Amino acid sequence: DTGVSQNPRHKITKRGQNVTFRCDPISEHNRLYWYRQTLGQGPEFLTYFQNEAQLEKSRLLSDRFSAERPKGSFSTLEIQRTEQGDSAMYLCASSFTTLGEQYFGPGTRLTVT
Amino acid sequence: GDSVTQMEGPVTLSEEAFLTINCTYTATGYPSLFWYVQYPGEGLQLLLKATGADDKGSNKGFEATYRKETTSFHLEKGSVQVSDSAVYFCALSGEKGAQKLVFGQGTRLTINP
Repeated sequence: DTGVSQNPRHKITKRGQNVTFRCDPISEHNRLYWYRQTLGQGPEFLTYFQNEAQLEKSRLLSDRFSAERPKGSFSTLEIQRTEQGDSAMYLCASSFTTLGEQYFGPGTRLTVT
Repeated sequence: GDSVTQMEGPVTLSEEAFLTINCTYTATGYPSLFWYVQYPGEGLQLLLKATGADDKGSNKGFEATYRKETTSFHLEKGSVQVSDSAVYFCALSGEKGAQKLVFGQGTRLTINP
């Protein structure tokens, strides 16, 4: 078990471009979460999946954001028409049970110029 | 909605000093409570957790007790080491539904030799 992995680790993009991030959870974890963390703040919940179903999305998640988890394994988070305010660390976490013990990946740092 | 308030940092201590980082929460019902730690250049790691009133979570010399009456979950360590330098996040997870984590803003701890 190698833990939660995220790719890429860093992404620099120009405003208006689309970006996609990938998260590979711990194998057999049925829940997968996306969070966003800005400098000096704690992570904020964006969305989560149970298996392949996206069950909740935060009001923070604008229409430019979309997430998928095909086949209930890895997940992708896409941001369309990026804005400077999207610059943040995007964190993925997974869990096996509903007890809330989530394991985090290293994050993808997005910089929008 | 649910929220977590942490002691503001940064906190600077000398090695072998006693550590307390305060955390209070607002939530309905009986959330699970967590402390996560983020070492420099690394991802969030679960440090300890407690799932019910008066439960004590402990790990690596750190302890925190779930106090329902004061809605608190303060982190303590009797003798800190330089290697404890990191950012510490208090978080809660609701009883039902997504079990998404709600984080405090984090407390940066620096231990000087």
